[in-house]
Amino acid sequence: QSVLTQPPSVSAAPGQKVTISCSGSSSNIGNNYVSWYQRLPGAAPRLLMYENDKRPSGIPDRFSGSKSGTSATLGITGLQTGDEADYYCGTWDSSLSAGVFGGGTKVTVL
Amino acid sequence: QGQLVESGGGVVQPGTSLRLSCEVSGVPFSGYSMTWVREAPGKGLEWVAAISHDGTRIDYGDSVKGRFTISRDDSKRRLYLQMNSLRPEDTARFYCVRIGFGVSFGGGFDPWGQGTLVTVSS
Repeated sequence: QSVLTQPPSVSAAPGQKVTISCSGSSSNIGNNYVSWYQRLPGAAPRLLMYENDKRPSGIPDRFSGSKSGTSATLGITGLQTGDEADYYCGTWDSSLSAGVFGGGTKVTVL
Repeated sequence: QGQLVESGGGVVQPGTSLRLSCEVSGVPFSGYSMTWVREAPGKGLEWVAAISHDGTRIDYGDSVKGRFTISRDDSKRRLYLQMNSLRPEDTARFYCVRIGFGVSFGGGFDPWGQGTLVTVSS
């Protein structure tokens, strides 16, 4: 059971928008920055978002991040077939003194 | 483009030890915190351990605390993970990751290595 809760899967048609939620508590998301990672099939994860809403260079602005209270959200607009992947949220948990991840969300482009 | 190359994985019996190594090239190593993340077959990502840029701060996940030791050698641009008392549930692909963005041990992981597979089985 992951400390952070994500929906197992989301799907949408090409060109549409999906949002992925990541729910936690005051000891993790509530008081720490959230990052998001994309893991394409057969590849290592890559950083999509850090400090809630910052994109590393090279990440298209179709990807966006936000945080409110003890939840965070990753948004993907203009969905493409190449976006089919597993997406993970992650943050620090101050009570555990450890990093924590969500269980991952599989994005399917219909 | 940064390259992190892990080595040292393999098939081992329960109760034995293994030492993973990660060589970093193409991106700065000194001055950055580093972390190990693992992914068990069919499971999600699990944070294992992290070490600060100067080695003065180290944290471990509960499942490996007391059994695993993270360390670094800046002169060799290498990160290590000494794994003792290995258990079948430690079977996973272990990724070496630089904490490239932000100062938290919990995020900003970039770049990632391709991982090395550790299988613990009798």
